[in-house]
Amino acid sequence: GAGVSQTPSNKVTEKGKYVELRCDPISGHTALYWYRQSLGQGPEFLIYFQGTGAADDSGLPNDRFFAVRPEGSVSTLKIQRTERGDSAVYLCASTPFSGSSDNEQFFGPGTRLTVL
Amino acid sequence: AQSVAQPEDQVNVAEGNPLTVKCTYSVSGNPYLFWYVQYPNRGLQFLLKYITGDNLVKGSYGFEAEFNKSQTSFHLKKPSALVSDSALYFCAVRDRSNDYKLSFGAGTTVTVRA
Repeated sequence: GAGVSQTPSNKVTEKGKYVELRCDPISGHTALYWYRQSLGQGPEFLIYFQGTGAADDSGLPNDRFFAVRPEGSVSTLKIQRTERGDSAVYLCASTPFSGSSDNEQFFGPGTRLTVL
Repeated sequence: AQSVAQPEDQVNVAEGNPLTVKCTYSVSGNPYLFWYVQYPNRGLQFLLKYITGDNLVKGSYGFEAEFNKSQTSFHLKKPSALVSDSALYFCAVRDRSNDYKLSFGAGTTVTVRA
């Protein structure tokens, strides 16, 4: 079946602009995660959704970052007033549900964000 | 708190030789441990996981990993490496007290030369 998809694959923007990154999880997966991978680093947790609600947003670096998942499927990560330090690959992952803790997370290909 | 260390930035081996990628972890409780592989311009692909039971875990593409609780390690191994195994490998840990938050190591670049 289809995996996790993310659009766009690449996004180049100017400092100060607003961007939206989209994630389509695997159909039926109720749990969704966003990670940020900076150059030379492993992915870092940003936010976790169970259904429509953000169960844990403790990884969001500041209030310029916000994510939504209004219908419990597609999620959008929104970044306001982008800064050069926001440049990274943003990864989305999903799992069937979070109640079974041994589920591995299924990752999308990521969106490479470049802030000029 | 939970964290992962991958002490080697790069591992280079000849095709046909054994491959080992090292990982040590730190958690306050008992761990769930994972290995992922990342090819250029691709997302992370799941290789294998340790949940409970046998310390030796077998995964995709001939990879295996051994959980060692006393050494807090979860090294990834492959008996005979292929050129196509050249990629970036990530170890990840999750404390059993949380359902979702993975902590990743910085990654190890594996290069297998023909």
